Amino acid sequence: NAGVTQTPKFQVLKTGQSMTLQCAQDMNHEYMSWYRQDPGMGLRLIHYSVGAGITDQGEVPNGYNVSRSTTEDFPLRLLSAAPSQTSVYFCASSYAISGDSPLHFGNGTRLTVT
Amino acid sequence: AQKVTQAQTEISVVEKEDVTLDCVYETRDTTYYLFWYKQPPSGELVFLIRRNSFDEQNEISGRYSWNFQKSTSSFNFTITASQVVDSAVYFCALSEPFTGGGNKLTFGTGTQLKVEL
Repeated sequence: NAGVTQTPKFQVLKTGQSMTLQCAQDMNHEYMSWYRQDPGMGLRLIHYSVGAGITDQGEVPNGYNVSRSTTEDFPLRLLSAAPSQTSVYFCASSYAISGDSPLHFGNGTRLTVT
Repeated sequence: AQKVTQAQTEISVVEKEDVTLDCVYETRDTTYYLFWYKQPPSGELVFLIRRNSFDEQNEISGRYSWNFQKSTSSFNFTITASQVVDSAVYFCALSEPFTGGGNKLTFGTGTQLKVEL
């Protein structure tokens, strides 16, 4: 049971480049989300999904797109990378969409934009 | 808006000392959930505990204990007889439901705990 798998673990981009951060879970969880972690700011929600075909914006969605074509996968796309997007990104899932379900996190992707 | 405050940025203790990590939250919801997560130096986030707003019983799990007090909007975490392996960043989080389903965790800024020999 792999849980939540994120790839890549590290990535360096130049300003203006685009890329996709991959996230897959094998727990049949309905709820998936993306957070970014920045020093001194905790984790902030970027986008989330309550099921296949359904996505919505979180707290800091600008510059990011998501899609949810299957229950298992929830990729995060950076359309035109900016230095302000340098961060550690975490994908998370939970078995229910209600607030009482603990999140299971992937191991993170450390992104640097130069 | 919901808010979680972890006023202790960094705490250093000597092994075997007890240490308490503070968490104060703000919410207008009557039903809510509080969480603690651990982030060791390796970087992953590990779920430790969940507490709902209707359950004010303290909980103990081994060397870990949690004290939830609605009257002071606090959900503090105590490690008894700390060990070097407890060195990590600890996050307190508050669950906020979205109208259309799903929920958002509002995280505190974390407390870095360093346990030294």
